[in-house]
Amino acid sequence: RKEVEQDPGPFNVPEGATVAFNCTYSNSASQSFFWYRQDCRKEPKLLMSVYSSGNEDGRFTAQLNRASQYISLLIRDSKLSDSATYLCVVNTGRRALTFGSGTRLQVQP
Amino acid sequence: DVKVTQSSRYLVKRTGEKVFLECVQDMDHENMFWYRQDPGLGLRLIYFSYDVKMKEKGDIPEGYSVSREKKERFSLILESASTNQTSMYLCASSFSGQGVPYFGPGTRLTVT
Repeated sequence: RKEVEQDPGPFNVPEGATVAFNCTYSNSASQSFFWYRQDCRKEPKLLMSVYSSGNEDGRFTAQLNRASQYISLLIRDSKLSDSATYLCVVNTGRRALTFGSGTRLQVQP
Repeated sequence: DVKVTQSSRYLVKRTGEKVFLECVQDMDHENMFWYRQDPGLGLRLIYFSYDVKMKEKGDIPEGYSVSREKKERFSLILESASTNQTSMYLCASSFSGQGVPYFGPGTRLTVT
């Protein structure tokens, strides 16, 4: 089993839709969680950290479910500019963080 | 603003050549990382360094070596490039502990 797993998608949604991605992790001792965004042929960039109580940044909401070992990212009112690959990142107990393979989102007009 | 730079955006090398990829960060970060990214496989850690002259193997170190002589600079070396090393190489840096990594723009390496 992979340490961090994501549905690769693509998720094709119309503008204005709400879309959610999940990411599961295998190490129950993991403490740090992040979502990164990666545009085509660009480097990944931090979108938001994920806190135990859940957190929101504008149209984006991140949640952590420790019991089921997954984190989620919810995007409300999708924009064309949200089209990208979203990477789940987890501290699996090593010095370096572990990245999921990413979920591709395509927002259509 | 954090800045991580990589020596080349695109590189084409021949099989058997020695290849150097350089990465420089200006944020005094302790940790530096080299990843490669391939379609369907995501980012895979090759090596990382948590201090000058210190290094640890990642998930796929075979065929690669690294050098960190100065805090701001982390080099990835392909001793004898092979076609299966054709990939996007991403450098990142972070503060020690579980600092969030910041990435450079990447080097797209093609080995023919």
